[in-house]
Amino acid sequence: EPEVTQTPSHQVTQMGQEVILRCVPISNHLYFYWYRQILGQKVEFLVSFYNNEISEKSEIFDDQFSVERPDGSNFTLKIRSTKLEDSAMYFCASSEWDEEQFFGPGTRLTVL
Amino acid sequence: DQQVKQNSPSLSVQEGRISILNCDYTNSMFDYFLWYKKYPAEGPTFLISISSIKDKNEDGRFTVFLNKSAKHLSLHIVPSQPGDSAVYFCAASATGRRALTFGSGTRLQVQP
Repeated sequence: EPEVTQTPSHQVTQMGQEVILRCVPISNHLYFYWYRQILGQKVEFLVSFYNNEISEKSEIFDDQFSVERPDGSNFTLKIRSTKLEDSAMYFCASSEWDEEQFFGPGTRLTVL
Repeated sequence: DQQVKQNSPSLSVQEGRISILNCDYTNSMFDYFLWYKKYPAEGPTFLISISSIKDKNEDGRFTVFLNKSAKHLSLHIVPSQPGDSAVYFCAASATGRRALTFGSGTRLQVQP
């Protein structure tokens, strides 16, 4: 069964450093998303991406964040200058159209 | 942000019995609702969804009921199995938007 994959599973970085989280969505899906879950809190929407542009973003997704689909398979989330409060599980998701979103296993980001 | 609320943090049921997980929402613009199951160290797994034009959707052992006037939905699992033990998240999206708003989750434990 097709699935969303994410790398790395765990990323440790120093405050102020740039990180790139990678995702491979399900191959025939058209919409791509990033969510995050800070420990003990709800899963929160960050951004959705369609046809090579951002279609929706939350207040969390400020200028420190960017997304890209550099080739036909990868979808990346870049955090330019990480803060302590960026420590969270980051989930990538994809959907075929106006349907349920399928989530990857997540990347645990730890900012020291 | 309390637009989607799951007021029971945990639920314990006996194997073979019915599990009922509840979810309330406040945003009247929500028109599509989903339930996800999550195991530790994994991403949310889609279970079942319902559109606001329906009041019930069934898929095998899982049934979701939607009461729009009460802004309430519930997930019924019959019969419950030990493998159903996980955290269950209710999520909702608004008309024309793809961002999912998640509840805080209910941890279901099914006792053998």
